Amino acid sequence: DIQMTQSPSSLSAFVGDRVTIACRASQSITNYLNWYRQKPGKAPQLLIYGASTLQSGVPSRFSGSGSGTDFTLTISSLQPEDFATYYCQQSHSAPRTFGQGTNLEIK
Amino acid sequence: EVQLVESGGGLVQPGGSLRLSCVASGFTFSNSWMSWVRQAPGRGLEWVANIKQDGSEEYYADSVKGRFTISRENAKMSVHLQMTSLRAEDTAVYFCAREEEVGRQWLSYGTYRYFYAVDVWGQGTTVTVSS
Repeated sequence: DIQMTQSPSSLSAFVGDRVTIACRASQSITNYLNWYRQKPGKAPQLLIYGASTLQSGVPSRFSGSGSGTDFTLTISSLQPEDFATYYCQQSHSAPRTFGQGTNLEIK
Repeated sequence: EVQLVESGGGLVQPGGSLRLSCVASGFTFSNSWMSWVRQAPGRGLEWVANIKQDGSEEYYADSVKGRFTISRENAKMSVHLQMTSLRAEDTAVYFCAREEEVGRQWLSYGTYRYFYAVDVWGQGTTVTVSS
């Protein structure tokens, strides 16, 4: 099975900051990489697929990059609704493993 | 409106069984892979299982293989998760999810790369395994 590892596990930032979250796969997944945001008490929301393509309706402050085993999610200017937990997920093969999550907190 | 509604959660003793169900509406159910994803209290997301559109393929996380079975009834627009030999570590909110082809990439050698992701989630149903 492919293991997904995110870093950092938690992160504190101010509204307006630029933040980057990393995700590493245990083997190459080309660009079969999704990013989700989960607000407290809610179901997750798809942000990015194919490592870098924004899902319809997702604000342009979100961007993704990477290929092979190393990927990043960047939020260019944090908004209050962005303080949440972020997960990467590989869609290269089953089981469709998630990273352990990155909790983004307001400073 | 595209919607997934789960049911069947509850309190069960270790070693017991439970069957979760999810009813879909607002989209062509028989065209979609369907998945179950769970989240233990205070923990991250864990992908559990998924099933192909016609039910011909099923995949499971190692943590549930041999104990859980995913199935679907396209005529009833529903997907199920039969859980047996339940353990305390199975305690979680279980989300029903639609895994859809969300995009494709044209490759230089004349084919496409297809991207799948969960684009619709249910509200979740809680399973508690405890004596």
